[in-house]
Amino acid sequence: DAGVTQSPTHLIKTRGQQVTLRCSPKSGHDTVSWYQQALGQGPQFIFQYYEEEERQRGNFPDRFSGHQFPNYSSELNVNALLLGDSALYLCASSLFGGSYEQYFGPGTRLTVT
Amino acid sequence: KQEVTQIPAALSVPEGENLVLNCSFTDSAIYNLQWFRQDPGKGLTSLLLIQSSQREQTSGRLNASLDKSSGRSTLYIAASQPGDSATYLCAVRPGSGGSNYKLTFGKGTLLTVNP
Repeated sequence: DAGVTQSPTHLIKTRGQQVTLRCSPKSGHDTVSWYQQALGQGPQFIFQYYEEEERQRGNFPDRFSGHQFPNYSSELNVNALLLGDSALYLCASSLFGGSYEQYFGPGTRLTVT
Repeated sequence: KQEVTQIPAALSVPEGENLVLNCSFTDSAIYNLQWFRQDPGKGLTSLLLIQSSQREQTSGRLNASLDKSSGRSTLYIAASQPGDSATYLCAVRPGSGGSNYKLTFGKGTLLTVNP
């Protein structure tokens, strides 16, 4: 049973560029959430997707956008990258509508230079 | 706005010691609380999930308790081992529950178990 997978593992981008990160949820899960974790901090909620719609959003600018596909996989897009966007980006999956725990992927390390 | 605090920020213990990690949250209207482990540069591994109606959960050498009214949770690790060395994070899910998946995390406790 495959857990949550994310790609790529590491990424280096230049300020002003755009980036796309990918996530495949754990088998049987239909809800995907994205988190940003800066060094030495706890993860911060970016947004959550269910049924291909953004259902909730944290305190992140519109430069952060996402998408969920019919197979429940998801993408996180960040435009006009800033140095402060350098972080570990984590994807979490769960079943919608219950008290289910969330499972996290290994993350994508994004470095903006 | 929910805030989660974890004390201590770092802890170093000799192998075999029992230890307690603390987590407090400001809004007691939570749906559940989850404890995670994070190895350096890696993702999060779920350790225990406690529903708001529960008082504790156990898994092997780990025991987590929840006192929702006082806004506190503890993670007890028995007979610690060097392999337990990692950062431990707690996270709460809002009381609006069902469709609200936003977890609010503490900054974590960095645990080092010395052989």
